[in-house]
Amino acid sequence: DAGVTQSPTHLIKTRGQQVTLRCSPKSGHDTVSWYQQALGQGPQFIFQYYEEEERQRGNFPDRFSGHQFPNYSSELNVNALLLGDSALYLCASSFGAQNQPQHFGDGTRLSIL
Amino acid sequence: GQQVMQIPQYQHVQEGEDFTTYCNSSTTLSNIQWYKQRPGGHPVFLIQLVKSGEVKKQKRLTFQFGEAKKNSSLHITATQTTDVGTYFCAGRGAGGTSYGKLTFGQGTILTVHP
Repeated sequence: DAGVTQSPTHLIKTRGQQVTLRCSPKSGHDTVSWYQQALGQGPQFIFQYYEEEERQRGNFPDRFSGHQFPNYSSELNVNALLLGDSALYLCASSFGAQNQPQHFGDGTRLSIL
Repeated sequence: GQQVMQIPQYQHVQEGEDFTTYCNSSTTLSNIQWYKQRPGGHPVFLIQLVKSGEVKKQKRLTFQFGEAKKNSSLHITATQTTDVGTYFCAGRGAGGTSYGKLTFGQGTILTVHP
């Protein structure tokens, strides 16, 4: 039973570039949430996708966008990268949109030079 | 917006000592979840508390949810070196603009000295 898988594991970009991160949820899960975790901090909620729609959004600018596909996998896109976007990006999946435990992937470490 | 504060930020204990981390939300929560993240790893779900005043136990771990559903605690009895990691609480907003959103605390980093 595959857990949550994310790709790539590491990525280096420069300021102003765009990046796409990918996530496949745990088998049987239909909801995907994305988090940004800065070093030494807790994960910060970016947004959640359910039934291919963005259902909830945290306090992140429009540069952060996403998509969910019919097979429940998801992408996180970040445009016009800033130095402050350097962080671990975590994807978490769950069943149903509310009140369920989240299963996290190993994350993508994004470094902006 | 909803804020979740967690204290202490760091805790160093000798193996066998007890450990407690506390979590406080600025707004009422519908539920609270606890996660453990090992160094270099990802958060792993431990438990979810839903009812006011709820207490749940998992072996040496005891979790409590406050009566007002705004605070929570995790207590570990007789710590072991395998308990090392960062413990996060994550509260789900019960209303307003925070409704349904999961907000993580900044975590408590636990170090256990053998």
